[in-house]
Amino acid sequence: AQSVSQHNHHVILSEAASLELGCNYSYGGTVNLFWYVQYPGQHLQLLLKYFSGDPLVKGIKGFEAEFIKSKFSFNLRKPSVQWSDTAEYFCAVNPEAISGGYNKLIFGAGTRLAVHP
Amino acid sequence: GAVVSQHPSWVICKSGTSVKIECRSLDFQATTMFWYRQFPKQSLMLMATSNEGSKATYEQGVEKDKFLINHASLTLSTLTVTSAHPEDSSFYICSVRDRGSPGNTIYFGEGSWLTVV
Repeated sequence: AQSVSQHNHHVILSEAASLELGCNYSYGGTVNLFWYVQYPGQHLQLLLKYFSGDPLVKGIKGFEAEFIKSKFSFNLRKPSVQWSDTAEYFCAVNPEAISGGYNKLIFGAGTRLAVHP
Repeated sequence: GAVVSQHPSWVICKSGTSVKIECRSLDFQATTMFWYRQFPKQSLMLMATSNEGSKATYEQGVEKDKFLINHASLTLSTLTVTSAHPEDSSFYICSVRDRGSPGNTIYFGEGSWLTVV
């Protein structure tokens, strides 16, 4: 079945460590790609998105993600994490990226990141 | 400030009763809204796409007679869980697509916790 896979369910890092969260999808054709973050007790917020162009996307709070089409991947990275990055991170794919159409997001299972001082 | 508002944030209802959750787009008109459900420690699962002035489009496996969706205006969509059962207890989230924004940004509501006892 077509899906969005996030490889790491739980990640624990020390502050200043580098972060990479994996995301793979199995949809063919044109896709739009997103990373969302959900801080404890808060609603989903968009970190970054890829629609076209430069496959290396810069987002908020120092996050970036690289779209590798041949690998069907959109991994999230941050060079140096902070305690405030503790949250759950969701990768999402829009497999129906038709110009003028609506965006239906399919989410991965999420990765819980805990950063300790 | 919030772009999408959900009400109520928390609701407890008795088994067999119905409960309505509202999703309001505060800053723009939305012809399309999306309803998601998130079980504990799981990802968001798209339930249905709410279309203003027409019938909602349900995802496979979602009972349309149980989860009634009404998108009566360009700023309001409602999800009614009919004859609720304990297994319907979940976190329900709506999202709204802003067609007027670059890249058709999607905004999420704060979510509504439903507990059926």
